[in-house]
Amino acid sequence: KAGVTQTPRYLIKTRGQQVTLSCSPISGHRSVSWYQQTPGQGLQFLFEYFSETQRNKGNFPGRFSGRQFSNSRSEMNVSTLELGDSALYLCASSQTGVGSYEQYFGPGTRLTVT
Amino acid sequence: GIQVEQSPPDLILQEGANSTLRCNFSDSVNNLQWFHQNPWGQLINLFYIPSGTKQNGRLSATTVATERYSLLYISSSQTTDSGVYFCAVGLYNFNKFYFGSGTKLNVKP
Repeated sequence: KAGVTQTPRYLIKTRGQQVTLSCSPISGHRSVSWYQQTPGQGLQFLFEYFSETQRNKGNFPGRFSGRQFSNSRSEMNVSTLELGDSALYLCASSQTGVGSYEQYFGPGTRLTVT
Repeated sequence: GIQVEQSPPDLILQEGANSTLRCNFSDSVNNLQWFHQNPWGQLINLFYIPSGTKQNGRLSATTVATERYSLLYISSSQTTDSGVYFCAVGLYNFNKFYFGSGTKLNVKP
């Protein structure tokens, strides 16, 4: 089975721009979660989608949004980029939406905002 | 949210040595995983272990959920074990992980 894939792997954007990141979960996995990793804050939960619905949300401003499609692929969008949004963005998929199942992470998208 | 503390934050070992990494968490959980982050940033699954003990080769893990801690044991360490190890815990019915700050392991030849 193919693992979780994320595109693009690297991205450089300018302050004020917006960006869209994509995540394709493992086949059969219906839950997709997004995390931000920075040297200062570590790994922080952004949001989780299950069956095209956002079920959980972390403590991030409204500039961070996401969606999930009927094939379980997910996208996250960051609008009006700030320098502090530079980070590694990781997505994870799990088999169901019930929180007792193992999560598998993708390779991440490294975003640099200049 | 749940507080997750990992210790030690840094660990330097000679190849062949054994080590124990600890993860304490502040609330009841029913989802706990250990990960190794490779140099490119990907989190590699080591153990899914909300309770009990598991072993996989030179690695083993134990979670005592009632006492809110988990241990990761690395035996006969190798240079390829170097990297950052993360513990992540989650709440029942939520697919949301709280991560510790990680243990950075450096295994010297």
